[in-house]
Amino acid sequence: AQKITQTQPGMFVQEKEAVTLDCTYDTSDQSYGLFWYKQPSSGEMIFLIYQGSYDEQNATEGRYSLNFQKARKSANLVISASQLGDSAMYFCAMRSAGGGADGLTFGKGTHLIIQP
Amino acid sequence: NAGVTQTPKFQVLKTGQSMTLQCAQDMNHNSMYWYRQDPGMGLRLIYYSASEGTTDKGEVPNGYNVSRLNKREFSLRLESAAPSQTSVYFCASSESVWGVYVNTEAFFGQGTRLTVV
Repeated sequence: AQKITQTQPGMFVQEKEAVTLDCTYDTSDQSYGLFWYKQPSSGEMIFLIYQGSYDEQNATEGRYSLNFQKARKSANLVISASQLGDSAMYFCAMRSAGGGADGLTFGKGTHLIIQP
Repeated sequence: NAGVTQTPKFQVLKTGQSMTLQCAQDMNHNSMYWYRQDPGMGLRLIYYSASEGTTDKGEVPNGYNVSRLNKREFSLRLESAAPSQTSVYFCASSESVWGVYVNTEAFFGQGTRLTVV
């Protein structure tokens, strides 16, 4: 069974500071993908970044980067130079190619609030 | 591009009533999913469909049925709604997992906020 753990229910960060959102995962599969989604107060799910289990380099997408430490089974999201519009729920999720049930397994999320 | 379209956006049901949530995608994806989101719980998989004509249970299937009508459409039915099914429901679609490649993000609909009283 797969599991995603996000240990920070909520975070307050000053605007322009960097933010690290924690995510650890558990799986016995060798091939899997890790995803981060943003959910603003309007409710839609917005894909941010992806990291594959075989990727040797950390993924980056603009101000987002994923700090992937495979041995520690962690996939932290780093947001550089935070903006007020970054205030939202952030979900870490995993998908496996292991042949079990398809679909994303989500963590419980981190509510990020950016303060001016 | 419409992406993933869900209807309705809001619904209030009385206990025992039935309803069907509709979902359609225009990205030619094989895989489609239904999730529910409850406060403090993240999103949990109800059912998924890897291809037209196939459906499988996810983590929380009890009280729900699904139909993969064709490649585009995947509906979720509540036969006898219960207050415990009050939630926000999301439909999603993605490319199928192929071999070891899982770098296919899921695209989500806007969600349906369902209240059962």
